[in-house]
Amino acid sequence: GQQLNQSPQSMFIQEGEDVSMNCTSSSIFNTWLWYKQDPGEGPVLLIALYKAGELTSNGRLTAQFGITRKDSFLNISASIPSDVGIYFCAGRTQGGSEKLVFGKGTKLTVNP
Amino acid sequence: GAVVSQHPSWVICKSGTSVKIECRSLDFQATTMFWYRQFPKQSLMLMATSNEGSKATYEQGVEKDKFLINHASLTLSTLTVTSAHPEDSSFYICSGSGGTGLSYEQYFGPGTRLTVT
Repeated sequence: GQQLNQSPQSMFIQEGEDVSMNCTSSSIFNTWLWYKQDPGEGPVLLIALYKAGELTSNGRLTAQFGITRKDSFLNISASIPSDVGIYFCAGRTQGGSEKLVFGKGTKLTVNP
Repeated sequence: GAVVSQHPSWVICKSGTSVKIECRSLDFQATTMFWYRQFPKQSLMLMATSNEGSKATYEQGVEKDKFLINHASLTLSTLTVTSAHPEDSSFYICSGSGGTGLSYEQYFGPGTRLTVT
């Protein structure tokens, strides 16, 4: 089945630093999504990408849909303590009501 | 964004009993709802997909007779864990998608922590 390889698995950074994480796949996806999950909560949608090459920002977050449609990255600039959490990438090959394939997550720790 | 609620947020039940978890879309009509379970430090595992008024489609390895899913309206889906056992203890999360507009993507509920003793 389809799998997403998400890296790194975890990151420990200082407040104010920039962060980058990525997802790759052997399959082509038509949509890439990035979610953040806080402990004991459900994932929250951060950014959705629909076109190859698309670069989209949401505040300090920027994500790109790879040209090959097999990868995506998420950057967080000037990290703050509330950025702590687990970030998941997810890919989809069809429309919005179709199921997602999730990466294994990147656990981000920000030291004040 | 679209808002999804779940109830209860946590539940403890005895082995052999059944537990029902509700998932509601509060400000959109969720034509499709998804049920996931998540073990500690792991990713989300899709259990089943349900479209309003239709039978749920279960993922391989998920027992449909054990995890009963009902999606009777465009704003409510329920997951019933029947004859629960300790190995069913997990974090259960639902999501809904309206398939259009602001609810095009999957929006997740806050999750339900199930502990079976």
